[in-house]
Amino acid sequence: DQQVKQNSPSLSVQEGRISILNCDYTNSMFDYFLWYKKYPAEGPTFLISISSIKDKNEDGRFTVFLNKSAKHLSLHIVPSQPGDSAVYFCAALASGSQGNLIFGKGTKLSVKP
Amino acid sequence: DTGVSQNPRHKITKRGQNVTFRCDPISEHNRLYWYRQTLGQGPEFLTYFQNEAQLEKSRLLSDRFSAERPKGSFSTLEIQRTEQGDSAMYLCASSNRGVDTQYFGPGTRLTVL
Repeated sequence: DQQVKQNSPSLSVQEGRISILNCDYTNSMFDYFLWYKKYPAEGPTFLISISSIKDKNEDGRFTVFLNKSAKHLSLHIVPSQPGDSAVYFCAALASGSQGNLIFGKGTKLSVKP
Repeated sequence: DTGVSQNPRHKITKRGQNVTFRCDPISEHNRLYWYRQTLGQGPEFLTYFQNEAQLEKSRLLSDRFSAERPKGSFSTLEIQRTEQGDSAMYLCASSNRGVDTQYFGPGTRLTVL
């Protein structure tokens, strides 16, 4: 049973527009959430994270929103650039764990010029 | 290159054989993680070391899998009596603080025939 779900396998967005990637989770013990970006033939790269005590974290063009009551988080990329085209993974860490990251299946983002 | 390195990059083996992979973390990173990624899935946590101590281990890790980090530097992941279901990309990551400072290696792709 998937504890972290990314229900959209792919997303296509025009350059300059907003990209919104969604993630849902089921485990109430998760208290830290991360987004990773992955290019082909490379390992994932950390993008941005959020603790469960916050509802928003911003870093440049990337903003993560957390809705704990809905067990939902989203990653907003504004403005989207062609170089953002990659697979994006949502991941969660349970309270008390230091390493057991639970990943979603990923969403492939394509940003068209 | 001062990133995380993994060797070999590709391994093809016959069912029933043993295989060993090596991960060299970024120098002075005291935390090391192993993940497995199959096609269409996100990375799946296997185990986590802080220095030479193995602190967390996934319940998914059967007794055919063993990981070591004898001197708190490089790590090895051994799979005994490989099965076709072990075919996957094996990713290693290291950090000096927590999961949001993880740097991933390029992975070792295992194919079991």
